Amino acid sequence: NAGVTQTPKFQVLKTGQSMTLQCAQDMNHNSMYWYRQDPGMGLRLIYYSASEGTTDKGEVPNGYNVSRLNKREFSLRLESAAPSQTSVYFCASTLGTSGTSSTDTQYFGPGTRLTVL
Amino acid sequence: GQQLNQSPQSMFIQEGEDVSMNCTSSSIFNTWLWYKQDPGEGPVLLIALYKAGELTSNGRLTAQFGITRKDSFLNISASIPSDVGIYFCAGHRTLNAGKSTFGDGTTLTVKP
Repeated sequence: NAGVTQTPKFQVLKTGQSMTLQCAQDMNHNSMYWYRQDPGMGLRLIYYSASEGTTDKGEVPNGYNVSRLNKREFSLRLESAAPSQTSVYFCASTLGTSGTSSTDTQYFGPGTRLTVL
Repeated sequence: GQQLNQSPQSMFIQEGEDVSMNCTSSSIFNTWLWYKQDPGEGPVLLIALYKAGELTSNGRLTAQFGITRKDSFLNISASIPSDVGIYFCAGHRTLNAGKSTFGDGTTLTVKP
C-alpha cells in the first residue's frame, strides 16, 4: 500500500514547454486534489476531482488543466509553462467529501518540485 | 477569498519546552485542521476539529476549535527534536476538506 505517489520528483522546464505531472493513489479514494506550495506559504488548491469523471477549479486554476483518468489517477498538465509556475506541486486524496467525518482526511503525496526557467 | 492568519511565523525553542501556535480568520469555518510538514515531504494531518469549542489531543499535541469558529490553536507539550517542521492550520466551510484554506505555516526549530 503505497498511498499517494507522484512523478516526477523534480523537473526543470524552459518557458513555453509543456509537461504532465502524474498522481496515483491505491487507497480506493473517491476524491483527488492538486495543490501548489510557494516558498513560505501554505498550499493553494489548483483543481480537484470530487469523484471519477468530474473535475472542478480551485483557487488558482489558470495555466493548468487536469484529467481524472480513472479512480486511481489524476494528472495535472501545464500547456505552456511560465516562471510563475515554479513551485512544489502536491497531489492529495480523500475517501469522501462529507466535511464532518474521518473520511475527509487528506493523504498527500511527496510532491513534485518544478522549476521553470 | 478566505484568508487565515497563522502565528508565529517561526519559533526557536529548547527541547522540553511547550509550544503554542494559532490561526485566526475573518470568516467562520466549520472544520479546522492542523498539519505537519517535514522537509521534502507532503503535509500529514495531525488533528481535525469539527465542533466549536472542541478540544482534541493526539499524544503531546492538543488543539482547540474556537467558540467563535474563527480561530484555532495548537499546543505541543514537552517538545522533542523530531517535532521540527512546518505546522499548517487549515479550515474549510464547504463539505469538502480538499477545498480548505491553508495558513502560511509556523516553522518550528527545536534545539537539543
